[in-house]
Amino acid sequence: DQQVKQNSPSLSVQEGRISILNCDYTNSMFDYFLWYKKYPAEGPTFLISISSIKDKNEDGRFTVFLNKSAKHLSLHIVPSQPGDSAVYFCAASANTGGFKTIFGAGTRLFVKA
Amino acid sequence: NAGVTQTPKFQVLKTGQSMTLQCAQDMNHNSMYWYRQDPGMGLRLIYYSASEGTTDKGEVPNGYNVSRLNKREFSLRLESAAPSQTSVYFCASSELRLLEETQYFGPGTRLLVL
Repeated sequence: DQQVKQNSPSLSVQEGRISILNCDYTNSMFDYFLWYKKYPAEGPTFLISISSIKDKNEDGRFTVFLNKSAKHLSLHIVPSQPGDSAVYFCAASANTGGFKTIFGAGTRLFVKA
Repeated sequence: NAGVTQTPKFQVLKTGQSMTLQCAQDMNHNSMYWYRQDPGMGLRLIYYSASEGTTDKGEVPNGYNVSRLNKREFSLRLESAAPSQTSVYFCASSELRLLEETQYFGPGTRLLVL
């Protein structure tokens, strides 16, 4: 029973275009959402986050959108660069006395030059 | 400032052998975690430690034990390794700011159990 789902295992985008990575969640108690980026043979690194009181958070080329009614969030990368090629994990946590974070299965992004 | 370090980077075990994966962080974080990553499964929490002296089970604790040696170090032990424990193991530590937690990961340990 996956509480955080990334239904696209992979995504291929041309350099300069927009990359849109999607994530769905089932637990309405989640109130903090994060995206992590992972290169091969390295650990995941924090990319961007959003609190449930917001619907958008922007950091340079990266924007995360949250639609609480649909239990859906997305990561937009504009413009995409070859160095963005990595696995992106969506994660969610709930402030319920413990901060266990639940991760999605990841989406592998390929940005073609 | 090394962040989160893990040793070893790679290990091959035979079924039934034991080993300990080491993790240390120098960011003065209270919370530390052990995850395993398997294809198509994302990161699954094995054990975590909210503070020095406490440990709790995560989603997939069977076959593992942990020790929070001090605030810096959190080790993961496989007492009798099984092929199903072949995976990449990540240690993480976290800081909590205004009820928002960000985790910092080590580079991982790739374990192969034959």
